[in-house]
Amino acid sequence: EPEVTQTPSHQVTQMGQEVILRCVPISNHLYFYWYRQILGQKVEFLVSFYNNEISEKSEIFDDQFSVERPDGSNFTLKIRSTKLEDSAMYFCASSTFGTGDNYGYTFGSGTRLTVV
Amino acid sequence: SQQGEEDPQALSIQEGENATMNCSYKTSINNLQWYRQNSGRGLVHLILIRSNEREKHSGRLRVTLDTSKKSSSLLITASRAADTASYFCATDSRSGNTPLVFGKGTRLSVIA
Repeated sequence: EPEVTQTPSHQVTQMGQEVILRCVPISNHLYFYWYRQILGQKVEFLVSFYNNEISEKSEIFDDQFSVERPDGSNFTLKIRSTKLEDSAMYFCASSTFGTGDNYGYTFGSGTRLTVV
Repeated sequence: SQQGEEDPQALSIQEGENATMNCSYKTSINNLQWYRQNSGRGLVHLILIRSNEREKHSGRLRVTLDTSKKSSSLLITASRAADTASYFCATDSRSGNTPLVFGKGTRLSVIA
């Protein structure tokens, strides 16, 4: 079954450092997303990406965040200068506007980011 | 904004019992999805129910949707210890490219 792959699974970084979280979405999906989940809290939407541009973003997705699809397969989330409160699990997802049971999202297994 | 909100927040049952989790939301939806998350792990898509469906089954899972009450329930029958996880509902309005909105989840513990 097709999977969304995220790397690394766990990253520890110093406050103020830049991090890049990587994702390989499912190859025939057209819509890509980043979500995050602070420990013990709900999953929150960050940004959606379609046709090589951001289609929607939440209030969380401020100027410190950026996304990129540098080639035909990868989808990255960059945090420019990490803060302690950026510590969370970051999930990548992709989806297709199919019909029937092909309709839906596939999430990656997440990257746990710890800012120290 | 629309939100899926689950109740109860936590549920503890014996193996073999049924577990029922509920979800309420605020605005109209295109579909509602249920996800499972083992502790500290990724989100696994369980089942999707469309706004024009009232009930759906998948193995030991049964999902209902009442759009007039803006609520859904997830029933896991004959629970097993391996069902221990957090369960989230997520609503999808699909107006344009509106993202999924997740609830806070129900933590299910199945005791062997």
